[in-house]
Amino acid sequence: GEEVAQTPKHLVRGEGQKAKLYCAPIKGHSYVFWYQQVLKNEFKFLISFQNENVFDETGMPKERFSAKCLPNSPCSLEIQATKLEDSAVYFCASSYDRGQPQHFGDGTRLSIL
Amino acid sequence: DQQVKQNSPSLSVQEGRISILNCDYTNSMFDYFLWYKKYPAEGPTFLISISSIKDKNEDGRFTVFLNKSAKHLSLHIVPSQPGDSAVYFCAASALGGSNYKLTFGKGTLLTVNP
Repeated sequence: GEEVAQTPKHLVRGEGQKAKLYCAPIKGHSYVFWYQQVLKNEFKFLISFQNENVFDETGMPKERFSAKCLPNSPCSLEIQATKLEDSAVYFCASSYDRGQPQHFGDGTRLSIL
Repeated sequence: DQQVKQNSPSLSVQEGRISILNCDYTNSMFDYFLWYKKYPAEGPTFLISISSIKDKNEDGRFTVFLNKSAKHLSLHIVPSQPGDSAVYFCAASALGGSNYKLTFGKGTLLTVNP
């Protein structure tokens, strides 16, 4: 598609439950990025992919967070054993190639109760 | 340690006038800079970018200026329109270091008054 599509828009989980977020990048884009927006105006990089390969995972909390981008499937970000501090808006972005602008989806708001 | 700083949390301008949004950075490895506009409950929308080999890039009403020696960039919007009212984010990456992740500033809320 012509836009980055993120689902669901809003996800509510109890503390300790699993959360899974999905992202369909723009067709033809090779790079996918995940960012976490905890406070209203602060974006934190989590992980990036080049096609289905992890490119940079320096921002990922190792223990509970995992992500995949498999061929012919939306990319996913999964959080095991969620904590209150995981409450945030998670944005996915894609770019055609390195050095090209990243285009963002509208995010998934994750609320941990 | 904030590597990209937008020191003005908010800016208010009159419709038709120029809006100037500023951004400073500290990491000398940054070589690609972008401006995004964000409305509430939506994702950032890409506006304009500039590579460190240039000092100016223009696209319609939007112009970005880069001063590498001062580690400063600015976004000019002329003329400003009420629909430009949004939060504007400056972002940077270090492509030369094969580091494509974006580092964002904290944003500037622009209000354009009719």
